[in-house]
Amino acid sequence: GQQVMQIPQYQHVQEGEDFTTYCNSSTTLSNIQWYKQRPGGHPVFLIQLVKSGEVKKQKRLTFQFGEAKKNSSLHITATQTTDVGTYFCAGPLLIYNQGGKLIFGQGTELSVKP
Amino acid sequence: DTAVSQTPKYLVTQMGNDKSIKCEQNLGHDTMYWYKQDSKKFLKIMFSYNNKELIINETVPNRFSPKSPDKAHLNLHINSLELGDSAVYFCASRLGHQNTEAFFGQGTRLTVV
Repeated sequence: GQQVMQIPQYQHVQEGEDFTTYCNSSTTLSNIQWYKQRPGGHPVFLIQLVKSGEVKKQKRLTFQFGEAKKNSSLHITATQTTDVGTYFCAGPLLIYNQGGKLIFGQGTELSVKP
Repeated sequence: DTAVSQTPKYLVTQMGNDKSIKCEQNLGHDTMYWYKQDSKKFLKIMFSYNNKELIINETVPNRFSPKSPDKAHLNLHINSLELGDSAVYFCASRLGHQNTEAFFGQGTRLTVV
């Protein structure tokens, strides 16, 4: 079945360093979504990428969708302690045109040392 | 107004007991999910409902029985709880077509002792 793989599982950085997490799908995706889960919290939607090769920015966060629409990355420039959390990518799988499901990557847990 | 609300937030119970978790969304979404998040943070989908109809059951033990009385509610009943059921359970909802985001509830931390 469709799988979404995400690496690394953990990343520890010093505040001010950059951070990148990578996501790969076994199949072509119609779109890819990114979520952030703060410690003790719930996943919160960050962004969705739809087009091949798309790049979107949110302040210090840069999201990319690969040309083949099978991989994606999230890059954070100059991390801050507020960036701490687990970042998930997710790809949709349509089921019989009835909503379907979001398949999540394993997540990358980011810790930032002040 | 909380978009997706789950109750209870914490649940501690003994092995063998039966418990229920409730979820309600006020977003007008037609698709609702239950996810299980283990200690390694992996979000595993358990069930998906579209317009009250079960469309995905991801090889979950039949001790877990979801129920959707209407499009806004999705409950999860668990029989004969086991230690391995300890996890955080998230309810989520979205509009059913592909290009929509999911909204998650606050989660229910279930601890079986």
